[in-house]
Amino acid sequence: SQTIHQWPATLVQPVGSPLSLECTVEGTSNPNLYWYRQAAGRGLQLLFYSVGIGQISSEVPQNLSASRPQDRQFILSSKKLLLSDSGFYLCAWLRATEAFFGQGTRLTVV
Amino acid sequence: QKEVEQDPGPLSVPEGAIVSLNCTYSNSAFQYFMWYRQYSRKGPELLMYTYSSGNKEDGRFTAQVDKSSKYISLFIRDSQPSDSATYLCAMSAIGGSEKLVFGKGTKLTVNP
Repeated sequence: SQTIHQWPATLVQPVGSPLSLECTVEGTSNPNLYWYRQAAGRGLQLLFYSVGIGQISSEVPQNLSASRPQDRQFILSSKKLLLSDSGFYLCAWLRATEAFFGQGTRLTVV
Repeated sequence: QKEVEQDPGPLSVPEGAIVSLNCTYSNSAFQYFMWYRQYSRKGPELLMYTYSSGNKEDGRFTAQVDKSSKYISLFIRDSQPSDSATYLCAMSAIGGSEKLVFGKGTKLTVNP
């Protein structure tokens, strides 16, 4: 069966510090991978998606970047965090039109 | 107009009530419709999945799609406290880039 791992579960970082969130998928190959951010009252905002190694599409201009160094690994990064980067970050894998989510990372920038 | 509109609630009902959750959408290309359930501090999980118009039933849950009105619903019968969660609708266009468009989610509390 397919499994999606995401860590860490919670993170508190100071403004201006770097960020690296990792997501890995098991049980499938060449998955379409997605990073979403969920802010209170704003629903799920698609940040990045990737259809293969080294292929990244950005949905919104922002302070974040994404990379896909391996087939089943998707990384969300920032060089300098802003207060507005706080939120609940979710990695997802899509099979056809069904999304399977990781457990999320709650990021608080202070 | 946003592609998908969903009333964020919150919605509070007594145990055993019938719950109706709804979303409207503007993109007539949407063909696949889903409902996700998200417990607090967890990732969303797929609850129901329907293609095109019609009804689909799974236990206490019924998903309904009315493409002519661009309106989808999720009904929960005999609601239980364990149904307390945020419910998100999601939809996708056929032959599209497989990107799902989500509603903002409706927070439901079922009181014992």
